[in-house]
Amino acid sequence: GIQVEQSPPDLILQEGANSTLRCNFSDSVNNLQWFHQNPWGQLINLFYIPSGTKQNGRLSATTVATERYSLLYISSSQTTDSGVYFCAVQGGTSYGKLTFGQGTILTVHP
Amino acid sequence: NAGVTQTPKFQVLKTGQSMTLQCAQDMNHEYMSWYRQDPGMGLRLIHYSVGAGITDQGEVPNGYNVSRSTTEDFPLRLLSAAPSQTSVYFCASKGGAFYGYTFGSGTRLTVV
Repeated sequence: GIQVEQSPPDLILQEGANSTLRCNFSDSVNNLQWFHQNPWGQLINLFYIPSGTKQNGRLSATTVATERYSLLYISSSQTTDSGVYFCAVQGGTSYGKLTFGQGTILTVHP
Repeated sequence: NAGVTQTPKFQVLKTGQSMTLQCAQDMNHEYMSWYRQDPGMGLRLIHYSVGAGITDQGEVPNGYNVSRSTTEDFPLRLLSAAPSQTSVYFCASKGGAFYGYTFGSGTRLTVV
């Protein structure tokens, strides 16, 4: 099946700093999402981005499908950005099956 | 529009007991799936469905059963609970080709 690798595994920032999270995947995809899991365990959908670039406030994401990677940018980080960020993909013929990476644990200090 | 609703939110079972985790969505989504999340790990797919009456196994299906008799509901059954099934369970659904998955708030299950 499709493999998903996220980097870095852990990231510690001071409030106000910028960061880039990376997601590499091993095959073509028809679905790619970035999620934020908050300290209460909720999975919040940040972006549905199988290709191209999207922005939502301080967050933006870019997926280069031909090179099989996606990037999540967080600018001017806030303590509320802390949590785990997951990349999840659905392979080209794997309808109904979302594969998750191991996640990046982000800690933002005031 | 409630999205994806999971019940219960918390459950403690004794080894060998059976139970059903409920999942319902009101968005008329075709795809529904169940995941488990263990400490320090990403989510792993248990079972999934691409429409009413159609289900298939995911990465970690052993010890779990599912059925999809309606579009709205996708219950997950634990046949004989084991401590290894202690986990947080998430249900998700997906609509058309240009939309992503929506996740429920999770069920935290402890098997003692």
